[in-house]
This record gives sequence, structure tokens and C-alpha cells, in this order.
Amino acid sequence: DTAVSQTPKYLVTQMGNDKSIKCEQNLGHDTMYWYKQDSKKFLKIMFSYNNKELIINETVPNRFSPKSPDKAHLNLHINSLELGDSAVYFCASSQYDEQYFGPGTRLTVT
Amino acid sequence: QQQVKQSPQSLIVQKGGISIINCAYENTAFDYFPWYQQFPGKGPALLIAIRPDVSEKKEGRFTISFNKSAKQFSLHIMDSQPGDSATYFCAASHYNAGNNRKLIWGLGTSLAVNP
Repeated sequence: DTAVSQTPKYLVTQMGNDKSIKCEQNLGHDTMYWYKQDSKKFLKIMFSYNNKELIINETVPNRFSPKSPDKAHLNLHINSLELGDSAVYFCASSQYDEQYFGPGTRLTVT
Repeated sequence: QQQVKQSPQSLIVQKGGISIINCAYENTAFDYFPWYQQFPGKGPALLIAIRPDVSEKKEGRFTISFNKSAKQFSLHIMDSQPGDSATYFCAASHYNAGNNRKLIWGLGTSLAVNP
């Protein structure tokens, strides 16, 4: 069983479109995260939710909107996609210290 | 502001050699220092972690050395193997006011172990 899963794995879209990435964890963790990893491998935290409550909201364009329908799910919706949004997006979850990462969603904006 | 500085950016080691990656931090409130390993096409995964009450932690071929006074910690990979070729990230964190941890990440080190 996959602990943290993301869909889709690949996403290719054009500038200006709106897209969503979904994340689910079956670990029973209270906290979930969205990270962006750019082409240089830098990991940047974007958002964190604890039990459906937003607790970390980094300096991210408001075109990015997370939604947590329940503590096992954290989705990321991106409006008006730009070329600079091309990256790998990782979802992660944690209960205490260790963060468990999903396989990533590679977003390519053309 | 980069609060965790990681070096080197890339590292090439021969099979059987020792790989050493260094990190330095600024915030003395940090109390948890993990190392994550990321293979191509995969998400990062926790490799080993240390807290500042000990100076060294060893798990198999992987050792963290921690120097609290210098605010530095390093990852040593003994008997490096081609399967260790990956990107390694150090990180540091402390609990914030909401009793949650936010990891501050280093920029990563790309390790290649030649056969």
C-alpha cells in the first residue's frame, strides 16, 4: 500500500490553464505539506495543514490554493498557470518529526 | 534567507570510499537535524536524523556528526556504493508556536559513486 500518493504523476498543460493535483495519505498523520522542487532540486515548502487547518503559508502566489477536505487529503489548485510554475510538486505528511513524501507530480507548462 | 547551508553541491566518490556532506545552521533554536535521500524520480525519504543532545549517530554505513558549538553537522557515508548515488538534503527544524515543525532545507548535494 502506498503511504502517500499523488495524482497525476505527470501534468503537461499550456500557460493560462487551471489545474489541480491531488494527494492522499493512509498513514493516519495529522499534518500534510506541499513542496515545490525546481530544476536545481531546491525544495521549497509552500503550504502545511494540520488536521485540515492551514498552519504554514509561505510566500506563494495566490494563484496557488490548497484545500484539505479531510486530514487524509490535501489538494493543490493552480490558476492561470505560468511557465515558472514548471516543477515537481511533492506532497508529504507527518505525525511527529519524520516527513513522508509522495512520488511527486511533474508539472510542465508550455 | 538561507538558514541551512549545505556543501558541496556535488560530489563524486569511488566505490568503497567515504562520502562527506556538510551543513551549517544559524538558528540555535533548531533541535532536530534530519538527512533525506532522494533518488531520481522519487520523493525524498528520511535517511537518518539527530538531536543536539548527542554528538554522533550511526545507522549502518551512515553516520551523522554533530557539533553544537560550531553549529555544524555532517553526513558520512562509509564504504560508498553505486546504489548510494542520489541527492542528499540536510534540514533543521524546531517546533513553532503552533506545536508544528517546519523543516528548513539545505540546497542538496548530488552524490555520484563510481563503480
